[in-house]
Amino acid sequence: DAGVIQSPRHEVTEMGQEVTLRCKPISGHDYLFWYRQTMMRGLELLIYFNNNVPIDDSGMPEDRFSAKMPNASFSTLKIQPSEPRDSAVYFCASSSDIDQETQYFGPGTRLLVL
Amino acid sequence: KQEVTQIPAALSVPEGENLVLNCSFTDSAIYNLQWFRQDPGKGLTSLLLIQSSQREQTSGRLNASLDKSSGRSTLYIAASQPGDSATYLCAVMFSGGYNKLIFGAGTRLAVHP
Repeated sequence: DAGVIQSPRHEVTEMGQEVTLRCKPISGHDYLFWYRQTMMRGLELLIYFNNNVPIDDSGMPEDRFSAKMPNASFSTLKIQPSEPRDSAVYFCASSSDIDQETQYFGPGTRLLVL
Repeated sequence: KQEVTQIPAALSVPEGENLVLNCSFTDSAIYNLQWFRQDPGKGLTSLLLIQSSQREQTSGRLNASLDKSSGRSTLYIAASQPGDSATYLCAVMFSGGYNKLIFGAGTRLAVHP
């Protein structure tokens, strides 16, 4: 299996622009997680899905952030409008229903908002 | 508030040394504790997962222990090698938050030849 796939790997944008991050989980995994990693706050869970349904979005920082999972093989995290403080590495992870406790992480998307 | 703390923040050792990384957590009611490795520019790789009912887990040169009552875990790396250089993250799945991992800030390890 190719593992969790994220795109783009790097994104540079200007403040106010819309940013869309994409994730393809491991085939057959029922859970998908979005994390954000910064120097100041470390690695934080933003939202997670089970069977394409958002279960817990309490980590989403504000209304500028939204996440969707239209099908079992694709999820997006959108920031609109983006701000410099959104600069971070965004990770996607997935896990299976059989072994929910083992999460497999993608390589991350490094976002820089100027 | 449920928090995870890791000490030290950074560590530099010569090759061959045995070393210990520390993790502490604020609430003893947990499902499990996990240790991850993160290489620069890469995602996280799970190293060891200790269930709440377990005291330790071993994988090769790595040994992780768990003491729930004191809210502590240690990751022991035997005979360190330059290839062990990475950031090591401790993550806890607290009771009441199944599937939600709370991460420590990590320990950045450098093993020099």
